[in-house]
Parts: sequence; structure tokens; C-alpha cells
Amino acid sequence: DAKTTQPTSMDCAEGRAANLPCNHSTISGNEYVYWYRQIHSQGPQYIIHGLKNNETNEMASLIITEDRKSSTLILPHATLRDTAVYYCIVRVAHNNNDMRFGAGTRLTVKP
Amino acid sequence: DVKVTQSSRYLVKRTGEKVFLECVQDMDHENMFWYRQDPGLGLRLIYFSYDVKMKEKGDIPEGYSVSREKKERFSLILESASTNQTSMYLCASSFNWDNVGELFFGEGSRLTVL
Repeated sequence: DAKTTQPTSMDCAEGRAANLPCNHSTISGNEYVYWYRQIHSQGPQYIIHGLKNNETNEMASLIITEDRKSSTLILPHATLRDTAVYYCIVRVAHNNNDMRFGAGTRLTVKP
Repeated sequence: DVKVTQSSRYLVKRTGEKVFLECVQDMDHENMFWYRQDPGLGLRLIYFSYDVKMKEKGDIPEGYSVSREKKERFSLILESASTNQTSMYLCASSFNWDNVGELFFGEGSRLTVL
């Protein structure tokens, strides 16, 4: 069973904020939300993760709803180099068997 | 910087051949993983290892085996390659008890089986 649901694709204008949604309605209390991205011809790259509080780092912000059933990854000022497939994953921390990647969202940043 | 190195970016093999995909990481990570990636299917976990000589099956282990004789090296083995194993193979590693749980990926090995 898929733990997360993401739109297949999204477009964003360069310089604007990109908001990528993820539904994880069956998330358990001890599961974290992780985001990775994969730029063409490269391996996936970690972006950010969170449990229940909103998180921000140099790459992005993660907004998790109060009921934790959905989240949004925000790239505040998208650039052409942010064009990639973005994966939302829920997993229990330290559970090596639980890092499952779905199909992700293909974000295209347009000039 | 963490570096995960996969031995070959591109391989072409024939049906029935034995194929070795090698992965080396230089950050003393306990965990190592092999995924395959196919269009529309995302990344699927084949095997992972949390210690030397230890291995666990992922979601699609059939037709594959792995070897972890040294901490830094994790090999994926296709005993008898078949055309449906044509894919992009990605290796990753991580710390065992790191709160971040970040996976570090290699660049991938694109295998074509003819």
C-alpha cells in the first residue's frame, strides 16, 4: 500500500515559490515525513524532514498540517536548477526497511 | 563530503550473463542499500544491509543477491541476467543511528540486458 500520494507533475515560474503537496493520511505517530529530489541523471538528494513541527533549512521549508495527514514542501524562490522529481516519504526513524520511494512529483520550473 | 561511488555508469550485458554491480562509500556508514528505478515506478528497494555480512530483502529481491564482505562495499549480483532486469540501479548508504536518517546516493548504474 502506498503511504503517500503526490501529484504526478507540476509547473512553476522561475523566481516564484514552488509548493509541492503530499498526502499521508495513514501516517503513524512515530513516522517522519522526508523529502528527497532527483535531478535528471543523478541519484536522489535529501532535502528536509520533519515529525510534526514546521521545518526550514537552506534548501526548503516543510509545512506539516496539525493532524499530520498532509504536508507541503516549499521552495521559496524556484530556479531552473530546481527542475527535478520530488519524493515525499514517510518512515519511522532508524527503520532501514522503511525508506520507500513512490513515483514522486515532476516539478518543471519555467523561465 | 560523503561519496558513494558506483563502479559503472553504463553496462550492456547479454541474457544469462552474471553481472556484478559494485558500490563503495567512504563515510563509514553502517547501512547500504540497492534500489532499481524504472519509469513510472519510482525507486524500488531490492536489498539492504545494516552491517558487514548482514543483508535483508527489500520489496523486489527475486533474481538478485548481494554481498557485504567489507563495511564500505556493497555488491549487487545478478546471477543470470534477464531482459526485465534492464534498469537504472542506485546504491545508497546511511548512518545506522543518525536522527536525520539521510540516505546518500550514488550516481547510478544503467544496465541494459540484451
